[in-house]
Amino acid sequence: DTEVTQTPKHLVMGMTNKKSLKCEQHMGHRAMYWYKQKAKKPPELMFVYSYEKLSINESVPSRFSPECPNSSLLNLHLHALQPEDSALYLCASSRGQGKRGTEAFFGQGTRLTVV
Amino acid sequence: DAKTTQPNSMESNEEEPVHLPCNHSTISGTDYIHWYRQLPSQGPEYVIHGLTSNVNNRMASLAIAEDRKSSTLILHRATLRDAAVYYCIPGAYGGSQGNLIFGKGTKLSVKP
Repeated sequence: DTEVTQTPKHLVMGMTNKKSLKCEQHMGHRAMYWYKQKAKKPPELMFVYSYEKLSINESVPSRFSPECPNSSLLNLHLHALQPEDSALYLCASSRGQGKRGTEAFFGQGTRLTVV
Repeated sequence: DAKTTQPNSMESNEEEPVHLPCNHSTISGTDYIHWYRQLPSQGPEYVIHGLTSNVNNRMASLAIAEDRKSSTLILHRATLRDAAVYYCIPGAYGGSQGNLIFGKGTKLSVKP
């Protein structure tokens, strides 16, 4: 199983809502990532988890709150988002940080629209 | 993280070879060169990676210049399914020295 599964595939939320994005992998990977991708732009790194601990936060606003409850799951909690946060949110995993030359696996993403 | 320069777009005919170039002149001596691609409406997918020697896999070949300041991804026979944005990413993936940081990439169009 080389899949990274993201749910939901699509999400529409109001600016006062709280919602969560979920990402799951069963490859035994110990590094997991969140990326944000705006239309016609490359993915931008948001967060990196290594062995269930947050290791990198790329200056992401606090309305995005990541969580890694176990080695297979990664969540992104959303609260008080703005319309400009509408984007495709991608999750990825890899064997681990510091493991050079290994490949990353990406999910299909969650298409988020903030209204 | 090393900076990259790739053509914004390229066109190819179906069943012809495609050579996608990438310049990464600031690459460090221990950085691998990774290539990923992103098909429309999908997440990125791994294509190939290498360090110094040329590499082949079922999807593509990677030719790395002797000075490692450039590389070329080679699709031997382009198909319509190869139409995607191709990203060249030098760097140590996921390490404290750097992460998988995407540049602008090359949008490849394949004509039937």
